[in-house]
Order: sequence, then C-alpha cells, then structure tokens
Amino acid sequence: DQQVKQNSPSLSVQEGRISILNCDYTNSMFDYFLWYKKYPAEGPTFLISISSIKDKNEDGRFTVFLNKSAKHLSLHIVPSQPGDSAVYFCAAINAGNMLTFGGGTRLMVKP
Amino acid sequence: DSGVTQTPKHLITATGQRVTLRCSPRSGDLSVYWYQQSLDQGLQFLIQYYNGEERAKGNILERFSAQQFPDLHSELNLSSLELGDSALYFCASSARQPHTDTQYFGPGTRLTVL
Repeated sequence: DQQVKQNSPSLSVQEGRISILNCDYTNSMFDYFLWYKKYPAEGPTFLISISSIKDKNEDGRFTVFLNKSAKHLSLHIVPSQPGDSAVYFCAAINAGNMLTFGGGTRLMVKP
Repeated sequence: DSGVTQTPKHLITATGQRVTLRCSPRSGDLSVYWYQQSLDQGLQFLIQYYNGEERAKGNILERFSAQQFPDLHSELNLSSLELGDSALYFCASSARQPHTDTQYFGPGTRLTVL
C-alpha cells in the first residue's frame, strides 16, 4: 500500500520554464512534507519542506504547495535550470518519525 | 556534501553471508536513520536511533539489526543475505528527534549479493 505516490515517473521541461512536480498521499496522519533531490551515485539532498498547517512555502526558485483536502502537494521550480535535472522525491512524515517516500520523478531540463 | 559519511561505498558478497554497514552522522546530530532503496520498492525506512536508543522501526527484516554507539556512529548488520537484499542502503542524520527535523542523507552503500 503506497501511502505517498508520485504518478509521473518523468518530466521534461525547457530551460527557463516552470517545472511542476506532483505528489499525492493517503495517510491523513502525515503532518510534515518534504521534497528531496537526488543525483546519481549520491544520497537524497533536502530541498524544501512544508508543515500541514501551511499551504505554501517558498525558498528562492522553489515553492511547495499543499492542498490538505485533496491530499496533494506540488513542487514548482521557476525558472528551471539544466542543473535541476535529477530525481525528485516527495516524502511525508508523522509523529512516528517514519519518513515515507514517493517513487520519485525524474526531471530533465533541456537547454 | 551533507556531512554524513558511509562506508564502504560498495560491497559485493555472496548469499548466506553477513555484512556490516557503517554510518557517521553530521557533527552534533543525535538521530540516525537507515533506509533501503531497491529497484522495485523505492526508498524505504528501516530504523531510527536517537542518542543510542532505538526510537522507530519500519520495514526492517529480522535478519537485519542496527545499533548506535556512544560516539553516535551507527552500524547496520545484514545477515543470511539473499539476492533480494541487493540495494542501496542510505543513512541519514538529524539534530534531534522531532519529526520536523530535517534528515540529511549520506552517499549510500551499494550492496550486491551474488
């Protein structure tokens, strides 16, 4: 039973345009959500997070939106850069301390 | 560089064997987490330690065990290895244990069981 799902395994975007990565979850006990970026042969790198009491968090080019009623979150990258090409993982956590990851979306930003 | 180190980088062994993976957390971090990333299961939480004590357990097999030592480094022991245990094993650390503390990941250990 996948509690965190990223339905798009890959996404291709032109440099300078917006990248939108989506994530859905089923467990209403999740109260904190994170996005990680992963390059090949490296561990996941923390990108941005959002608490369930907020609906938006922004950090430079990265913005995460949370729609609790739809159990959906998204990561917006504007403008997209070739260096953003990586696998992006959505993750969710509750007080049990178990970080649950989605399957990842491979983002390719074309110059 | 996250500040989390893992050794070895690669490990090749045979079925039935036992291996130990090592993790050193970021300086000052008290919590250590272990994750397994396999092709068909994605990134899965295995276990968490905080200041030497086990705090949370995920999908960890009985053949696997872990511990955190007084100097806060952690070891993950995998025994009676099977082909399906081949995966990337990541360690992460965070400052304390509240679940809102960001977890920083190491580069991983790639385990191949032949």
